[in-house]
Amino acid sequence: DAKTTQPPSMDCAEGRAANLPCNHSTISGNEYVYWYRQIHSQGPQYIIHGLKNNETNEMASLIITEDRKSSTLILPHATLRDTAVYYCIVRGIYGGATNKLIFGTGTLLAVQP
Amino acid sequence: KAGVTQTPRYLIKTRGQQVTLSCSPISGHRSVSWYQQTPGQGLQFLFEYFSETQRNKGNFPGRFSGRQFSNSRSEMNVSTLELGDSALYLCASSLRAGDHGYTFGSGTRLTVV
Repeated sequence: DAKTTQPPSMDCAEGRAANLPCNHSTISGNEYVYWYRQIHSQGPQYIIHGLKNNETNEMASLIITEDRKSSTLILPHATLRDTAVYYCIVRGIYGGATNKLIFGTGTLLAVQP
Repeated sequence: KAGVTQTPRYLIKTRGQQVTLSCSPISGHRSVSWYQQTPGQGLQFLFEYFSETQRNKGNFPGRFSGRQFSNSRSEMNVSTLELGDSALYLCASSLRAGDHGYTFGSGTRLTVV
């Protein structure tokens, strides 16, 4: 699975959009991009995933560049409860699918009042 | 519906002892995976089970083992505990292996003294 690079920390004002970048320059054609977040002392929470196209759900939007070498997770209106560590993960879905996720160090998003 | 349930939430053990942690997946989920989270190493994959079979194992010593029962509940066991085994142990479940989004439990915080 490809390696990802994320900034260690970011700040965002409450009510504003939070844009979290992720670099995955070695991603291959059958690898998906996943985002999870972990609020302090809780288990990680799945947010969204994508392959090529931009995706949106009730939590966030995922923008993947055309060359697929980077992506951005967008929280449209950040609240204090969105303060968490956000993990960008790349994983391939091959035959004999596995649940193994390789977590990096993530980005600590601090939403400021 | 009920989420992933991990018991106990907190545990203190002495070096050299053994410990068993339990994970009850979401009803209907047949795939369970385990992760260890420490401040130094972050989130690391331990192993995963599907239909009572271990499908994948992370890079951990043989002191770490697990199993899955016919009702999909899973246990992990750590024998001959070391101080470095102090960690948050997280369990995640999904319907099938390789699903796009997993649901994590809140974890078991193990402290070895």
